[in-house]
Amino acid sequence: AQSVSQHNHHVILSEAASLELGCNYSYGGTVNLFWYVQYPGQHLQLLLKYFSGDPLVKGIKGFEAEFIKSKFSFNLRKPSVQWSDTAEYFCAVRVNTGFQKLVFGTGTRLLVSP
Amino acid sequence: DVKVTQSSRYLVKRTGEKVFLECVQDMDHENMFWYRQDPGLGLRLIYFSYDVKMKEKGDIPEGYSVSREKKERFSLILESASTNQTSMYLCASSWGDRVIHEQYFGPGTRLTVT
Repeated sequence: AQSVSQHNHHVILSEAASLELGCNYSYGGTVNLFWYVQYPGQHLQLLLKYFSGDPLVKGIKGFEAEFIKSKFSFNLRKPSVQWSDTAEYFCAVRVNTGFQKLVFGTGTRLLVSP
Repeated sequence: DVKVTQSSRYLVKRTGEKVFLECVQDMDHENMFWYRQDPGLGLRLIYFSYDVKMKEKGDIPEGYSVSREKKERFSLILESASTNQTSMYLCASSWGDRVIHEQYFGPGTRLTVT
């Protein structure tokens, strides 16, 4: 079955530290990948997505992610985090089982201390 | 700006009650989705719909049903609420003919069943 693993459930960083959140997927078809973010009290919103082309994808607010096909990974990175990046981050893979749907990971809670 | 609205932010119901959660989107999207979000489990798909009067089961449909009588509205129904249905419920929509490009999420309804 298709699945997405986010191994870091909770991450605590100081401001200006670098961030890398892991995401590994299990899916044999054409891969389309997403990172969503949920700031405290707000809607889930799209950070970035990979459909094809350059495996290094840039998103909003200075985030980027790299698709590494051989490792089945799509890790999220940011060189210098801010307190406002405190949020929960979800990785998702688009699967096609007759109908398309997104399969989400369990999420990573990031706390950035000022 | 895409807007997905949900009828209630917080809801408290008793075991055995019939519960209706309403979702409305204003962007003429073909696709609509219901998820539940639980700590440590991420987002799990309950039901989705690719067209009016059309519905498909997601990964955890047991105990739920849905209705889509109009394109902009997608309702989630708990026929007989149980305590294990206490959760955050998220509605989402996306454009595309049976293709998901990006999902837009509502603010969520936190349901407590006592």
